[in-house]
Amino acid sequence: GEQVEQRPPHLSVREGDSAVIICTYTDPNSYYFFWYKQEPGAGLQLLMKVFSSTEINEGQGFTVLLNKKDKQLSLNLTAAHPGDSAVYFCAVRRIASSSFSKLVFGQGTSLSVVP
Amino acid sequence: GGIITQTPKFLIGQEGQKLTLKCQQNFNHDTMYWYRQDSGKGLRLIYYSITENDLQKGDLSEGYDASREKKSSFSLTVTSAQKNEMAVFLCASRDWGGETLYFGSGTRLTVL
Repeated sequence: GEQVEQRPPHLSVREGDSAVIICTYTDPNSYYFFWYKQEPGAGLQLLMKVFSSTEINEGQGFTVLLNKKDKQLSLNLTAAHPGDSAVYFCAVRRIASSSFSKLVFGQGTSLSVVP
Repeated sequence: GGIITQTPKFLIGQEGQKLTLKCQQNFNHDTMYWYRQDSGKGLRLIYYSITENDLQKGDLSEGYDASREKKSSFSLTVTSAQKNEMAVFLCASRDWGGETLYFGSGTRLTVL
């Protein structure tokens, strides 16, 4: 089945620097991609969802790139600030060939932004 | 908007004890999930339910039972708590045909 590898597991950057998190997936039929942010003591909040038809997606202060050839999904925080400190998860879901298709999560990246 | 409420936030039990975690959502979503979050391992699916009274096993169902008696609630039972099950348990829901999962804030399980 689908496997998702996320790296790095821990990342520490200075305020204003960029931070990049990368996920590599195995299933070429993967179609939906998600980035979630988890703040301490909280559940996961959706940061962005990406469909395989779009390679570059921009949010507020971050960019998500999808490289289908290499089966990689990346999250790039362009100028990190302390409020970005959290655990980030990628998740991948294949095209639903049946009534249910499972969301497969990466292992998570703990990001610390130092003032 | 809606909210997913998980109770309790912290659950402490003895080894071998049967423990129940509860989840309520007011999104009126069809599908609900229970995930286990271990540090460095991401989220692993324990059980899910696509409608009231439906139960489906995930990758990590051994040692757990689940119950979906109402559309709005989904409970998870640890049948015999073990120390290696200490983790954060996250409940989530999704509307049928929607792509986004909405998560509760989790229950942290400690086994003494």
